[in-house]
Amino acid sequence: GAGVSQSPRYKVAKRGQDVALRCDPISGHVSLFWYQQALGQGPEFLTYFQNEAQLDKSGLPSDRFFAERPEGSVSTLKIQRTQQEDSAVYLCASSLALQIYEQYFGPGTRLTVT
Amino acid sequence: AQKVTQAQTEISVVEKEDVTLDCVYETRDTTYYLFWYKQPPSGELVFLIRRNSFDEQNEISGRYSWNFQKSTSSFNFTITASQVVDSAVYFCALSEAGGFKTIFGAGTRLFVKA
Repeated sequence: GAGVSQSPRYKVAKRGQDVALRCDPISGHVSLFWYQQALGQGPEFLTYFQNEAQLDKSGLPSDRFFAERPEGSVSTLKIQRTQQEDSAVYLCASSLALQIYEQYFGPGTRLTVT
Repeated sequence: AQKVTQAQTEISVVEKEDVTLDCVYETRDTTYYLFWYKQPPSGELVFLIRRNSFDEQNEISGRYSWNFQKSTSSFNFTITASQVVDSAVYFCALSEAGGFKTIFGAGTRLFVKA
């Protein structure tokens, strides 16, 4: 079946612009995660959804970052007034059940803020 | 607090050599889950294995094996008879049953030369 998809794959934004990154998880997966991966680093947790409920947003670096999953499937990560330090790969992952099970990752969106 | 340490930044081996990737973790929970993921040059993380804290049995899957030792808080990964296709970045990760985050280590980049 189809895996996790993310769009766009690449995004270049000028500093101060707003961006929206989309994640389509595997159908039927309850859990959805967003991560930020800087060059040469491991994924850093941003936020976690169980269906439409955002149960943990402790990893969001500032109030410029906002995530939603209104119908418990597709999720959007929005970054307002982008800064250069936001440049990274944003990964989405989904899991069949709870957060303690294996995650299936999308290809990521590479965001470059100029 | 949760922490995952992968002290080896890069390892280079010649094909057919065995190689062990180290992972040391910290957690206060008694119930937790450990994972290994592979990130090939294409970029998409791929799940390799999941262990829970109550199962210290070592596991072997083909050329891959994992050694989980609670006494030393380690979950090491060995590739036997390495192949060029094993070249990738490998991440160790930890999820606590009482939370929603997954914490990743910084990764170990493995180069397997022909």
